[in-house]
Parts: sequence; structure tokens; C-alpha cells
Amino acid sequence: GAGVSQSPSNKVTEKGKDVELRCDPISGHTALYWYRQSLGQGLEFLIYFQGNSAPDKSGLPSDRFSAERTGGSVSTLTIQRTQQEDSAVYLCASSSTIAGGQAKNIQYFGAGTRLSVL
Amino acid sequence: AQKITQTQPGMFVQEKEAVTLDCTYDTSDQSYGLFWYKQPSSGEMIFLIYQGSYDEQNATEGRYSLNFQKARKSANLVISASQLGDSAMYFCAMNPYDKVIFGPGTSLSVIP
Repeated sequence: GAGVSQSPSNKVTEKGKDVELRCDPISGHTALYWYRQSLGQGLEFLIYFQGNSAPDKSGLPSDRFSAERTGGSVSTLTIQRTQQEDSAVYLCASSSTIAGGQAKNIQYFGAGTRLSVL
Repeated sequence: AQKITQTQPGMFVQEKEAVTLDCTYDTSDQSYGLFWYKQPSSGEMIFLIYQGSYDEQNATEGRYSLNFQKARKSANLVISASQLGDSAMYFCAMNPYDKVIFGPGTSLSVIP
């Protein structure tokens, strides 16, 4: 597709249920990022993928959060046993990392998934 | 530790005036990129401008320019001739290699 696509755009779930959030990056982009943004706050880094590998998982808040990427394309962020504090907008971004020389890593963002845990 | 600081939580500017949004950063890396993103109330994150740490000239993109002062580790965004549509949150970001670090953001309101 032309841009980063995230689904669903909105998700309402009950506390304790599992949810899956999907991100379809820009075709050809090797790097993919997940962020969380609580209301009125900045972006909290969760995880990033280079191809199918996740070199940096340091931002995942707990072991209830996991992510995978297959085929170097679509990524899924899974939150198990959701809690009310998980309510936020989850943003995905992709970029085309330029190898060598200076890093230039312009990220293009999807519209986000707004997760509400009741 | 790598960090982005934006000291202005909220700013007001008169329409058609210029405004500067402050950003300072902390990194020990020699090679890095600096970015500004805009987030309107719709929630989408829009890339505005990029500056590489080795770029000698300040980056410009239309009404946006980045005032890069490497020794002071600052990367301020200048918006010229503000428009009502510029009202949004503005985030400064830095990438030492693959990870991107965002600042807390500045809320800009353009007054007619």
C-alpha cells in the first residue's frame, strides 16, 4: 500500500482479554516500530524490527506484551490479559534504513489503533 | 544516556508570525539524525524535516527550517508565517542508528 496501515482503528475490550494489533508497513521498508501514546503524552517506544528480527525489545512494559513480524512485512503486537492501564493509542511506523554513512531513518506512521480496556 | 528535551509544553503564536520551538538533545554518538514531527488533533504523526549531524547547512522544507547548533546540541524548529492549520503537537526526535527517541512534545496554538 501507499502508507502504513494499522488495524483495527479502534478496539474496545474487557479487562483480562487478549488483543492483537496489526501493522502493515510501507512496501520495501525494512524497519518497523511500535510505540504507545497515552492521552496527552509523548511517544513511548515499545519494540522495533529490522527485517524479522527484533534487536531492541527494551520498551515492552511487561511480559504480557509481545510482537512478531513475518516475511519482513506485517507485524502483530499482542497484549495478553489486558489491563486498564493498557488503554492508549498504539502507533506503528516503518522506515527504509539506509546502510552505511550517516543514519537517516525517517519514520512514516500509521493512523494508530486506539485501545480501550474496560 | 540519550535524551530529547522540549522545554515548552505549550506555545501561542499569532497567525502569519514566525515561531521557534525549542529542542535540545543528549547523545555521545557522533553520527545521528534529528527530526521534527507534527501531530494534529486527528492523531496522525506527520514527518516535517530532517537534519543529519554531519550536515553543514540547516535543513529547510517550505515554511519549516531547523536551526541546528551542534556544539550546543540544539535543533530548534522555526515555522515561518504561521497558519491556523499549524496548530498541533510538535515532537522533536533523534536517531542514533536504528532506535528513534522522541521528546515530550510542544503544543502550538495559532491565534487568528
